[in-house]
Amino acid sequence: DTEVTQTPKHLVMGMTNKKSLKCEQHMGHRAMYWYKQKAKKPPELMFVYSYEKLSINESVPSRFSPECPNSSLLNLHLHALQPEDSALYLCASSPTSRGGEDTQYFGPGTRLTVL
Amino acid sequence: RKEVEQDPGPFNVPEGATVAFNCTYSNSASQSFFWYRQDCRKEPKLLMSVYSSGNEDGRFTAQLNRASQYISLLIRDSKLSDSATYLCVVNGARDSNYQLIWGAGTKLIIKP
Repeated sequence: DTEVTQTPKHLVMGMTNKKSLKCEQHMGHRAMYWYKQKAKKPPELMFVYSYEKLSINESVPSRFSPECPNSSLLNLHLHALQPEDSALYLCASSPTSRGGEDTQYFGPGTRLTVL
Repeated sequence: RKEVEQDPGPFNVPEGATVAFNCTYSNSASQSFFWYRQDCRKEPKLLMSVYSSGNEDGRFTAQLNRASQYISLLIRDSKLSDSATYLCVVNGARDSNYQLIWGAGTKLIIKP
């Protein structure tokens, strides 16, 4: 089973709202990722967690706050977003922390619209 | 120069045709190479990992030329369901191995 699940599928929020995106995998993978994808562009890496610790933050604004409660779960907390943050947010996981050498499996994504 | 470059597309081809995608990468230290497929408004899905010896999976063949830093994907006997965007992905091989570098993708449209 190579399934990564994400909730919600769609999210509409105002600029003053606080919301969270959730990601879960039960493949025993030890690396998890958040990506942002705008239309007709490839995914852009935001954060990497390795063994439940944040190992990479690609200079993401602080209005995005990741959290890894355990090895199966990854959250992305959103606060005071801007309309330009509207995008597809993808979660991925890979077997080990050497993510670039292991296949990354993607969840279906959360389509976020910021009004 | 972009780190991973792909044909800009889109490719419009008739059903049953053979389609070839090309990709070049700039980092000679890269070790891992992948082709992902992404349908409209869906997540990327791994199509194939690409190995030095080349690999084939049914109608799909991937080749790697390390000397030329070139990756290819060949689709034979194309089907309507092959319509998607094909993304070339390379391990960044910088200070960590976490970072996959994505090409911009090539959109393929198969016409009946």
